[in-house]
Amino acid sequence: DAMVIQNPRYQVTQFGKPVTLSCSQTLNHNVMYWYQQKSSQAPKLLFHYYDKDFNNEADTPDNFQSRRPNTSFCFLDIRSPGLGDAAMYLCATSRDQREASYEQYFGPGTRLTVT
Amino acid sequence: EDQVTQSPEALRLQEGESSSLNCSYTVSGLRGLFWYRQDPGKGPEFLFTLYSAGEEKEKERLKATITKKESFLHITAPKPEDSATYLCAVQAPPIQGAQKLVFGQGTRLTINP
Repeated sequence: DAMVIQNPRYQVTQFGKPVTLSCSQTLNHNVMYWYQQKSSQAPKLLFHYYDKDFNNEADTPDNFQSRRPNTSFCFLDIRSPGLGDAAMYLCATSRDQREASYEQYFGPGTRLTVT
Repeated sequence: EDQVTQSPEALRLQEGESSSLNCSYTVSGLRGLFWYRQDPGKGPEFLFTLYSAGEEKEKERLKATITKKESFLHITAPKPEDSATYLCAVQAPPIQGAQKLVFGQGTRLTINP
């Protein structure tokens, strides 16, 4: 089945120690998104890629970076995690939205714990 | 400013007890309203897209409807496996072919056997 895969599912890192989360997709979608979701809150968009074009949300901290080396893969780098960065990180993909509105497909998420 | 408010925050029902979840929205030009289901510790799973007032979509025990200001997710004769958080989101104008979703806070639904 075509899908969105995230690795690892659970990640524990130390305060200030860089961490990278991974997302891959077999849907061949143009657009990939990264969301942060804290307990009992709605997902919050961090940034997205349209093909190789990167778009950062205005309120996303500089501590969060992303890379998309090819269509299938996208990475979220947290350069110096703080305790407040503990959350579920969701990767999603969608088709090009310019001609019609299409749903996003979400991965299972990576639960990040910062100690 | 685009805004989505879901009510109630939490809802407990007995198995077989039908009910509705509410999603009130304000958006400058609706391009799509999306319903997702999210199980604990998992990513949201797409349920429905509604594009204009009067539209209805159905899937098993779920039916989504929409007016110019609200959308409802009706659950008929629910089963315990319908327990989840249901998220509503509207699409703001796209940016470079990407989708900006404005999410509500979700309704946490529990179905007791």
